[in-house]
Parts: sequence; structure tokens; C-alpha cells
Amino acid sequence: DARVTQTPRHKVTEMGQEVTMRCQPILGHNTVFWYRQTMMQGLELLAYFRNRAPLDDSGMPKDRFSAEMPDATLATLKIQPSEPRDSAVYFCASALPPFARGYGYTFGSGTRLTVV
Amino acid sequence: KNEVEQSPQNLTAQEGEFITINCSYSVGISALHWLQQHPGGGIVSLFMLSSGKKKHGRLIATINIQEKHSSLHITASHPRDSAVYICAVGGADGLTFGKGTHLIIQP
Repeated sequence: DARVTQTPRHKVTEMGQEVTMRCQPILGHNTVFWYRQTMMQGLELLAYFRNRAPLDDSGMPKDRFSAEMPDATLATLKIQPSEPRDSAVYFCASALPPFARGYGYTFGSGTRLTVV
Repeated sequence: KNEVEQSPQNLTAQEGEFITINCSYSVGISALHWLQQHPGGGIVSLFMLSSGKKKHGRLIATINIQEKHSSLHITASHPRDSAVYICAVGGADGLTFGKGTHLIIQP
């Protein structure tokens, strides 16, 4: 089965350090999403790309978060500097709209980030 | 912004019972998704539907577009069905999620 690959699976870092999370979407999927899951807020959309172009990053704290898609096989989410409140599970998902075709979302396994 | 409400928040049942989880949303949608997440695990897409009913094994999902309501049913529930079930709405521009239903099936 095709899958979305996220690395690292777990990351513990000290406050103030830079964190980079990576996502390899399913080959052929042209839309990549970054979501964050916390106990308090649940799942929230941070940003997404279509055909590598950023379409919406309104869910991200702009001063410290950045998302890029340097090529069709790699999406990155960076936090600099990291803060304890950034501790969460970050999920990447890829998809191939339009959904009327019946293609849904495929989620990666997530990166569990702990900032101490 | 779409508001997605799920009920119940928590559900404990005995093995073999018929399970129903409900989801309602506030704004018309292109698609509704049911997702499953095991403790500490990733998210698996169970169904995507825009009308009617879909069935996969012991899982059935229905949607009523006019009522803005969807249900996920599990027949002959099993302890391995224990997980968080999440309803989400949206499409090509991203998903809005409910808070999830934490389901425990006891042997």
C-alpha cells in the first residue's frame, strides 16, 4: 500500500532550538497538508500546498513556523525557535482532488514533538 | 467556519454490541470523512462520503445532507475496534475536525 512517510517519529528538543519535520507524500498526490493535534485543541490545519505552491498557511504562527515544499517528494515544517506550547503531534496528509473521484486523504504516522 | 460536533465523547460497550457515533456540522460541505485513531497511533481514513451510505466490513457510514448529519455504525463490535473515531468535513482546501469519540469495547 502507498503511504505517507513522516520523519522523525519522535523528537524531544530544548526550548529555543530549531525543529524540522519532513513528509514524503504519496507519489502522484498533488496536495499536501500539515495538521497539528493537541489534547486541548484536537486536530487543526496549519498549512497546505497544491502542486508545491503554498495555498493557505493561516493556521500557522507566522513568526516561528514555516512550511515549504522544495520538490514534489518532500514537504517540510520548521519551527524556530521552538517553545513548550509547540509540543504536539504533527501530521502530514496527502490527497489528489477532486474528491468526487473517490480519492480521500492519506495520513502519515505523525511526528510527536516534545519541547522541554 | 464549519463547526463539527460529535456525540458521544466517550462510549464504553460490551463486545458484540451495535455502536453508533453521531456527527453534525453547521455549513454545507463537499465531503465528510470518518477517521480512526488508535492510542499513540496514526490516523486512518475509514470513509469519505458526500451522500447516502457506505459499508466496509462491519462498518457503515451514512450521511443526510439536508440534516447536516452523519452516523458511523459498527456492527458486532470487537475489542480491536477500541479507538478514537473522528468526524471531519471539507475537501480540497483542508479538513475541519470534530473532537472525536473515544470508544472502548470490553471483552
